[in-house]
Amino acid sequence: AQKVTQAQTEISVVEKEDVTLDCVYETRDTTYYLFWYKQPPSGELVFLIRRNSFDEQNEISGRYSWNFQKSTSSFNFTITASQVVDSAVYFCALGTGFQKLVFGTGTRLLVSP
Amino acid sequence: NAGVMQNPRHLVRRRGQEARLRCSPMKGHSHVYWYRQLPEEGLKFMVYLQKENIIDESGMPKERFSAEFPKEGPSILRIQQVVRGDSAAYFCASSARGGRRTYEQYFGPGTRLTVT
Repeated sequence: AQKVTQAQTEISVVEKEDVTLDCVYETRDTTYYLFWYKQPPSGELVFLIRRNSFDEQNEISGRYSWNFQKSTSSFNFTITASQVVDSAVYFCALGTGFQKLVFGTGTRLLVSP
Repeated sequence: NAGVMQNPRHLVRRRGQEARLRCSPMKGHSHVYWYRQLPEEGLKFMVYLQKENIIDESGMPKERFSAEFPKEGPSILRIQQVVRGDSAAYFCASSARGGRRTYEQYFGPGTRLTVT
């Protein structure tokens, strides 16, 4: 069975702090895809990144970076120099072929000024 | 380029009524997905459709729920005889590609259904 665990329910930081959101996944498939989505207070989901299981290179996009480690089945997300606009719920998701995404329960990030 | 559109954004129904949720995918996208988000929970997959075809409905409750994506017009998620437990946010997503790889899905703003 496929499963995504986001153990951190809520994280509070002060602006400019770095913060890492953890994501651990379970699957028996050798080919799979990992995603992060952001859900701001307005409620929509915003796509952030997609990685496939064969590409373990870390990725950086501005203040965002992602660390994919197959050995620990983790796909962690780091925001550098956090800003108030980063306040949102962040979801990690797993796709194991075809088009069904399995989501974690989300981590609520609160960034205070 | 318009994103995924859903309407209505908020829907209130009394127990026993029917709820119809509409989703128009992004331009050029022919794959549509519906997910349900219960309060304080992650999203749960319900159904995956292409035009005139249901590809995967493994997440759909067996009764009262149905979905369609006709040749013309938006995808519709229909809930008959709603109960309080159906209160949730229903998200539609679309993608440009399907097949054996999982591609990025772009989500609409959701429909918040409240059953009174």
